[in-house]
Amino acid sequence: DSGVTQTPKHLITATGQRVTLRCSPRSGDLSVYWYQQSLDQGLQFLIHYYNGEERAKGNILERFSAQQFPDLHSELNLSSLELGDSALYFCASSLSLAGGPLDTQYFGPGTRLTVL
Amino acid sequence: AQTVTQSQPEMSVQEAETVTLSCTYDTSESDYYLFWYKQPPSRQMILVIRQEAYKQQNATENRFSVNFQKAAKSFSLKISDSQLGDAAMYFCAYREYGNKLVFGAGTILRVKS
Repeated sequence: DSGVTQTPKHLITATGQRVTLRCSPRSGDLSVYWYQQSLDQGLQFLIHYYNGEERAKGNILERFSAQQFPDLHSELNLSSLELGDSALYFCASSLSLAGGPLDTQYFGPGTRLTVL
Repeated sequence: AQTVTQSQPEMSVQEAETVTLSCTYDTSESDYYLFWYKQPPSRQMILVIRQEAYKQQNATENRFSVNFQKAAKSFSLKISDSQLGDAAMYFCAYREYGNKLVFGAGTILRVKS
């Protein structure tokens, strides 16, 4: 158990819908990262938040957005869903931004999204 | 942009034997971190081992060790005394400045009893 929690575990929805994925980082971690794992794209970085502020964006679609709240949990919002958005979405957390060994990322169990 | 290449889509090893998974990467940075993550059928991403580029000594964690060749930009994972529980997808990852991870495509490891 990494200490990172994600809910829900599974989500099945229809095209055009909107969903929210939730992540709670390990106790004491200030950084939250979101990654998408799909069969065709592999593991891709989406976005990084540190202490409530967006720090970096990766291959994140405009239909996707995220935020980190004062209690440090994060939510990833996916809207106007398409079949191709079906994937495993991981959240990871790390202590800070310093870039040292303490910033090793620990992953949550993931949310499996299926868009029908 | 940094890239990570895992050239072995699939590997097999006999229980109790040793196997080495390959990884190469491309970067112009001199200071960085490299990681191996394991993804078993449960899909959980589990950190296996971490290497700091400025450290010449290869990292070791119990049965897992790396062969880090900085000049060659190579970072292989050796698993000794393989166990059935080692069967999983293994991902090599490079941590960019700004902390995002860049992953390779993964290597499926099968362990035969």
